[in-house]
Amino acid sequence: GEKVEQHESTLSVREGDSAVINCTYTDTASSYFPWYKQEAGKGLHFVIDIRSNVDRKQSQRLIVLLDKKAKRFSLHITATQPEDSAIYFCAANSNTGNYKYVFGAGTRLKVIA
Amino acid sequence: GGIITQTPKFLIGQEGQKLTLKCQQNFNHDTMYWYRQDSGKGLRLIYYSITENDLQKGDLSEGYDASREKKSSFSLTVTSAQKNEMAVFLCASSILGGNAEQFFGPGTRLTVL
Repeated sequence: GEKVEQHESTLSVREGDSAVINCTYTDTASSYFPWYKQEAGKGLHFVIDIRSNVDRKQSQRLIVLLDKKAKRFSLHITATQPEDSAIYFCAANSNTGNYKYVFGAGTRLKVIA
Repeated sequence: GGIITQTPKFLIGQEGQKLTLKCQQNFNHDTMYWYRQDSGKGLRLIYYSITENDLQKGDLSEGYDASREKKSSFSLTVTSAQKNEMAVFLCASSILGGNAEQFFGPGTRLTVL
């Protein structure tokens, strides 16, 4: 089945710099790649997604890149702010249907003021 | 907007005990999910329900039962609590069709003594 690996378990950046979180997946049939943010003591909150028919999507300070050939996707947070500090999870839909996502283990991002 | 409510917020049980976690959503979403989150790991899908009268097993369904009482509520039962089940259980909901944003509740933290 699908496996999603999230490469950075922790990441520290200075306020105003960019942060990049990288994920790889194994199933070439995966077509939907969402990203979620989890703040301390809370559930996950959707931040952005990308579908396999495009290779780039931007929403304000968030950019997602998808490289289908390398089976890699990444989240870029530009001009980071302290409130960006959280755990970020990448996910990919599995080959068994549109409702099952496989999640990465999470990246704890710390933005240092 | 809408909200997902999970009860209880904290659940303490004894090993071998049957424990029930509840989830309510007022998004009017068709699809609901139960995930388990272990420390330092990604989310793993336990059960999901595509529509009100549907129930599907996820990758981690052994040791759990689920019930979709009505469109707005979805319960999860730990059939016999084990010490290695200390984790946070997250409920989520989404529109029908999948490959869409999932809205998460704040979680129930389970501790087994």
